[in-house]
Amino acid sequence: QQQVKQSPQSLIVQKGGIPIINCAYENTAFDYFPWYQQFPGKGPALLIAIRPDVSEKKEGRFTISFNKSAKQFSLHIMDSQPGDSATYFCAARYSSASKIIFGSGTRLSIRP
Amino acid sequence: DTGVSQDPRHKITKRGQNVTFRCDPISEHNRLYWYRQTLGQGPEFLTYFQNEAQLEKSRLLSDRFSAERPKGSFSTLEIQRTEQGDSAMYLCASSFPGEGSGNTIYFGEGSWLTVV
Repeated sequence: QQQVKQSPQSLIVQKGGIPIINCAYENTAFDYFPWYQQFPGKGPALLIAIRPDVSEKKEGRFTISFNKSAKQFSLHIMDSQPGDSATYFCAARYSSASKIIFGSGTRLSIRP
Repeated sequence: DTGVSQDPRHKITKRGQNVTFRCDPISEHNRLYWYRQTLGQGPEFLTYFQNEAQLEKSRLLSDRFSAERPKGSFSTLEIQRTEQGDSAMYLCASSFPGEGSGNTIYFGEGSWLTVV
């Protein structure tokens, strides 16, 4: 049972483009939605996170858009660079628990 | 503070052997997590400690897996009678409740296990 569904599985964008990664969830008990970035051979690193009472959050070139009624959220990367090439995971956490549940990941490649 | 530290980073073992991984969390982080990640997949939750108490275990954690955190600091994850399906990266993470963005979880670099 996949509690956080992520798409696309892979994405190729030209440098300067705006890749968009989408996630959907079913459980309304989730109260915290982080995005993690993972480079090959490394552990995931927190990129940006949002709570469901906010519709948008920006940190540098990274933006999360959150649609609570649709139970969907997405990551946008502005002015993408080859160094942004990595695997991105959306995730969610239950309000009553501590663990986070990950999506299946999106492998992003930014072409020079 | 050097972040979450895991040892060893890589382990190759023969099927049927036992392996143990160690995790040192960020100092003062009282929550410690173990996740497993296979190629092309997101990390899957295995278990979680608050201080020395193991508060939750996933159904993924079979009887061959055991995790401990005896003094509420470092943790070990032992896999007994390893099987080829155990080949994966084992990730450790830690957090401190109430910090910044709601209990941010920080991951280590992972321990790669290959069972041959």
